[in-house]
Amino acid sequence: GAGVSQSPSNKVTEKGKDVELRCDPISGHTALYWYRQRLGQGLEFLIYFQGNSAPDKSGLPSDRFSAERTGESVSTLTIQRTQQEDSAVYLCASSTRTSAGTDTQYFGPGTRLTVL
Amino acid sequence: AQSVAQPEDQVNVAEGNPLTVKCTYSVSGNPYLFWYVQYPNRGLQFLLKYITGDNLVKGSYGFEAEFNKSQTSFHLKKPSALVSDSALYFCAVVTTDSWGKFQFGAGTQVVVTP
Repeated sequence: GAGVSQSPSNKVTEKGKDVELRCDPISGHTALYWYRQRLGQGLEFLIYFQGNSAPDKSGLPSDRFSAERTGESVSTLTIQRTQQEDSAVYLCASSTRTSAGTDTQYFGPGTRLTVL
Repeated sequence: AQSVAQPEDQVNVAEGNPLTVKCTYSVSGNPYLFWYVQYPNRGLQFLLKYITGDNLVKGSYGFEAEFNKSQTSFHLKKPSALVSDSALYFCAVVTTDSWGKFQFGAGTQVVVTP
């Protein structure tokens, strides 16, 4: 079946512009995650959506970052007034939610954001 | 706060030799541990996970990992490495106290030489 998809695959923007990154999770996956991966570094948790519950936004680095999710489908990560330090690969993942709550995440290919 | 450490930035091994990638963690509560692999220009792929039960977990592509509670470790192993195992490996932890907020290690680059 189809995996997690992200668009665009690459985005180059100028400092100060706003950008929107999109994630289409695997159908039926109730949980959705966003991560940031800077060059040569590990994954940094940004935000977690689970069904209709309030998202865990504790990883968002500043108020310039926000994310929304429509039901249990598409999610959009928005970065306002981009800065050069925002340059990174933004990864999205989705998973089911079992009774144990310990689900394998399936990752998308990422969006490479470059802020000039 | 939970954290994951992968003490080695890179591991070099000859093809056919055993491969070990180290991971230690620090959490409050019971940990759930995962290993993912990232090939160049590709997304992260799940290898294996420890939830409960047997401390030795077997996963994809011949990899296994052993959960050691006393040493708070979850090292990834493969008895005989292949050149195709060359990739970036990430250890991750989550607990039910902070479900969904996965903490990933910085990654270990594995280089397998022919």
